Amino acid sequence: GAGVSQSPRYKVAKRGQDVALRCDPISGHVSLFWYQQALGQGPEFLTYFQNEAQLDKSGLPSDRFFAERPEGSVSTLKIQRTQQEDSAVYLCASSPGTVYGYTFGSGTRLTVV
Amino acid sequence: DQQVKQNSPSLSVQEGRISILNCDYTNSMFDYFLWYKKYPAEGPTFLISISSIKDKNEDGRFTVFLNKSAKHLSLHIVPSQPGDSAVYFCAASGFEANAGKSTFGDGTTLTVKP
Repeated sequence: GAGVSQSPRYKVAKRGQDVALRCDPISGHVSLFWYQQALGQGPEFLTYFQNEAQLDKSGLPSDRFFAERPEGSVSTLKIQRTQQEDSAVYLCASSPGTVYGYTFGSGTRLTVV
Repeated sequence: DQQVKQNSPSLSVQEGRISILNCDYTNSMFDYFLWYKKYPAEGPTFLISISSIKDKNEDGRFTVFLNKSAKHLSLHIVPSQPGDSAVYFCAASGFEANAGKSTFGDGTTLTVKP
């Protein structure tokens, strides 16, 4: 497709459940980013891939969060044992390189109940 | 401690007038700045950027100004249109370590009244 595709759009998880969020970036974009956006705030950096290499994971809030991009295209953000504070919109973005504006997906809204 | 701040949560302007959105940053290592626009239920859309070697960048109705000594940037929209009503995010990144990673402000909601 022409844009960044994220699925699912909405996810409701029971506390303690594991979830997996998928991102399909623009074809050919080497850089892929995951951001977390809480209500009323700006996106906060989680992690960054260049092709399949995870170059920065400094923003992942805990070891319950894990991201992968095994073939340098599709990426998955996994959250284990979800907690209520994990409720947020998770945004994926891709770009041709590191000094370009991102193209964001529409996000996955995660609600932990 | 927020490194990128947008101190005005909201701004309302009349159609046809100028909209000025402001952003301040604290980290002097930032040297690339971007503005994004976000409609409800969509991801942010990249609008315009500026590198620290410039003080102005223009793209159609949108102009970004950078004052490095004041660590301040602004986005001017002239003339404003009702379709410009959205949340605007300022973001900053650096070329050294963490290149590509952006730090975002909390956004300013712009309302353009017909």
